[in-house]
Formats: sequence, C-alpha cells, structure tokens
Amino acid sequence: EAGVTQSPTHLIKTRGQQATLRCSPISGHTSVYWYQQALGLGLQFLLWYDEGEERNRGNFPPRFSGRQFPNYSSELNVNALELEDSALYLCASSFPETQYFGPGTRLLVL
Amino acid sequence: EDQVTQSPEALRLQEGESSSLNCSYTVSGLRGLFWYRQDPGKGPEFLFTLYSAGEEKEKERLKATLTKKESFLHITAPKPEDSATYLCAVQPPFQGAQKLVFGQGTRLTINP
Repeated sequence: EAGVTQSPTHLIKTRGQQATLRCSPISGHTSVYWYQQALGLGLQFLLWYDEGEERNRGNFPPRFSGRQFPNYSSELNVNALELEDSALYLCASSFPETQYFGPGTRLLVL
Repeated sequence: EDQVTQSPEALRLQEGESSSLNCSYTVSGLRGLFWYRQDPGKGPEFLFTLYSAGEEKEKERLKATLTKKESFLHITAPKPEDSATYLCAVQPPFQGAQKLVFGQGTRLTINP
C-alpha cells in the first residue's frame, strides 16, 4: 500500500513570494493534516482538512492556507513568505485516528 | 494548555545497553498517545498508539507503556539502527480537535 506522498521534496523561494506544497493521502483516508517542523522546534499543527472542509487550524497567520480536493489530496499555500517560514512541512493522513506522515517538503526562504 | 514534555533531550547508549525514554503530558483527558520515530530529514514513522492507563504495546526491541500522566518507551538491547529521534504526541479530548500535540523529541544515538 502506497504511503502519503508529498511534492516537491525541496523548494527554494525568496522573501515575499508564494509557495505551494502538495500532498496525496493514503488511499481510503479522508483526513489530511499539515504540520510545520522548523529547525530546533517540534512539530507544530497547521491545518486539518476532512471531506473537503477545513476543520481545525493551529496558531498560524492567515497567509498560511490550503484546500482539499474531491480526491482528498491537499494543497498548502504560504503567501508573502518570510525567512522564518523555512522549515520541513509535513503532511499526514488518518483513518480513523492514527496519523501517518509523508516524507515532507523542505522549504527554504532566502 | 495541552503540553508534552520529553526527557532526556538526547541519549547516547552502547549497543545492547537498555534504557527508557519519558513522555509526560498535561491534558484534560486523553484520546490517545502516539509514539513516532523520525530519521533526519524524513517524516515521522508511526510506532504505537496507547489509549488507557496500564496499556502496553511491543514491537521488536521497543515497548511503550502508559500511566495517567506519562508514557515510557523502553528500548531493550538496542542496535545502531535504532538511532533516531523518538517523538511523543497526544491527541486532546475534544471532538473535532484532531490535531496532535508533539513533544520536542528525544534524540537517541546507539554506538556500536
């Protein structure tokens, strides 16, 4: 069974640009979660999508947004990038409770 | 506020030297406690879920236990390939609040 996939693996942007990160959940999983793991910090919850709706949001500014598509894949958008947005962005999917993580997208903001 | 504290931050062991990692949590009620393993630059790999005090789960050289306020991950006769960061996370009790609250992790190094 294929796991959670994320693309791209690495992304380099400059301050002020927008970044789009993509995630495909495990087949049959309807919930998708996004987490940020900055260097030296733990995983911080960003967003939770289920059945196409945003269900919960962490303590992040509105420039972090996303959506979930009818096939349950998801996109995370980060607008007006700042240097401190540099981090590993992890996507997870679940059914029913346990979250399984993808390999992450490493975002570097210069 | 829900909090998860893991100790120690880092642990170095010799191959075959058993030890335990600690995860203490403050959450009003608990839907589940999760252990993950994370290798550098990769996503966390699911290990165990524990739901109630007294519960234990085992997988190869790892055993996870749960009390009302903390969980332990026991590593028996570890091998160098067990070197990784071990993450503990709790799921708060409120319906719809599916987020996980993670600890900072314990970085485990097993020397041959």
